[in-house]
Amino acid sequence: QKEVEQNSGPLSVPEGAIASLNCTYSDRGSQSFFWYRQYSGKSPELIMFIYSNGDKEDGRFTAQLNKASQYVSLLIRDSQPSDSATYLCAVAQYNFNKFYFGSGTKLNVKP
Amino acid sequence: NAGVTQTPKFQVLKTGQSMTLQCAQDMNHNSMYWYRQDPGMGLRLIYYSASEGTTDKGEVPNGYNVSRLNKREFSLRLESAAPSQTSVYFCASSEATALAGGDEQFFGPGTRLTVL
Repeated sequence: QKEVEQNSGPLSVPEGAIASLNCTYSDRGSQSFFWYRQYSGKSPELIMFIYSNGDKEDGRFTAQLNKASQYVSLLIRDSQPSDSATYLCAVAQYNFNKFYFGSGTKLNVKP
Repeated sequence: NAGVTQTPKFQVLKTGQSMTLQCAQDMNHNSMYWYRQDPGMGLRLIYYSASEGTTDKGEVPNGYNVSRLNKREFSLRLESAAPSQTSVYFCASSEATALAGGDEQFFGPGTRLTVL
C-alpha cells in the first residue's frame, strides 16, 4: 500500500468549472499536508498547505482536510487553461524523514 | 536571488560510472533535500539534511551518498550508476530545521539522468 494515493487522471474539466482533486494517506500520524503544482518538464511549486481539519481557502484554491477519513482534497474554482498541470499531494509526519508525495493527478482544463 | 540551482541539467552515464549532482541555494535555508521522480511514482526522498553537518536517509537511499558541504550546498553522488537510477533528480530547500507544520520546500529545476 502506498503512503499517499492519488488518481493519476487525467481529470478533464471545462474552463470556468470547479476541479476537484483528491488524495488519501495511510499513516494516521501524519500532521502536515501539502498541494504542489507541477507543469510538464518543470519543478513542483507549493500551492497550499493545511494541518487542521476543515477548509483553508486561498484565492481560487481551497484545501480540505479530514483526518478521521485520512483524506485531503484541493478544489480549484473558475478553472483556467493555465491550471492544466499535475497536482501532487504530499504528507509529512512531525518526524521529518516520513515525508511522502503522491504520484500526482494530471488536470486538463479545456478552453 | 537565484533560489535553488542544480547542475548539470542533463547527464548520460554508462552503467558503473560515477558522478556527483550539485545543488546550491541562496535563501539561507537550513534544510536541504534530494528527491527522485519517476513516471507514475511521484517524488521520493533520497536523503535530506536538516542543518549544516547533518544528513539522514529518506525513503530510497540505496546507491546514493550525500554531502552537506556548507549551508548553501548539498551534493548527491552516485558511486556506481545503474539503469534503475535513470530518473529526474530534484534538489529542494526549506527554512526550518525540521519539517513540521507548513514548511514550504523550494525546488531546483531538476537534473535528467539517463544510465545506459
